[in-house]
Amino acid sequence: AQTVTQSQPEMSVQEAETVTLSCTYDTSESNYYLFWYKQPPSRQMILVIRQEAYKQQNATENRFSVNFQKAAKSFSLKISDSQLGDTAMYFCAFRTNFGNEKLTFGTGTRLTIIP
Amino acid sequence: SQTIHQWPATLVQPVGSPLSLECTVEGTSNPNLYWYRQAAGRGLQLLFYSVGIGQISSEVPQNLSASRPQDRQFILSSKKLLLSDSGFYLCAWRSGGSTDTQYFGPGTRLTVL
Repeated sequence: AQTVTQSQPEMSVQEAETVTLSCTYDTSESNYYLFWYKQPPSRQMILVIRQEAYKQQNATENRFSVNFQKAAKSFSLKISDSQLGDTAMYFCAFRTNFGNEKLTFGTGTRLTIIP
Repeated sequence: SQTIHQWPATLVQPVGSPLSLECTVEGTSNPNLYWYRQAAGRGLQLLFYSVGIGQISSEVPQNLSASRPQDRQFILSSKKLLLSDSGFYLCAWRSGGSTDTQYFGPGTRLTVL
């Protein structure tokens, strides 16, 4: 079974600074997808960024980028020029390319951007 | 563009009462649909998923059931709620093609008293 681990329950950073959230996962498969979702106080899950395991190039979306290390099974999220609106819970998620394709989530990191 | 709706947004129910939560998707056809539950301070756990009308798969044995009476409608039900059913329930749909990503609805906060 796949597992996703987020070892930082809480983090805080000053506005405009850069912050990195960690995620590790465990799987025996070679083809899969990794995601970072953001859950603001409204609690709706919002996709931040997506990475396909067969792609070596790290995904980027504006201020958000990932460091995908397949051999180490690591998938960290970097937020540059952090903004107050980035305050939220951030969940790392894993999905295989087979079966029901369910998302397996980590326990989340609560990120607070300090003005 | 695609939109996913859930209702109600908030629900308070007594133990032993029935439950019906509804999820509908607009702007797509034959989506894969998912029900997740999020307990307080925790990640999401998949409860049910559906690949088509009348096709339901259960991930976790529990007090809940799901149905898909129409292509873009997914319903979560219970005949008798338990205290442990309290939580935040999220519906999601999966796109296909190049993005192949699950997108979530706004969720329903259920409190069982």
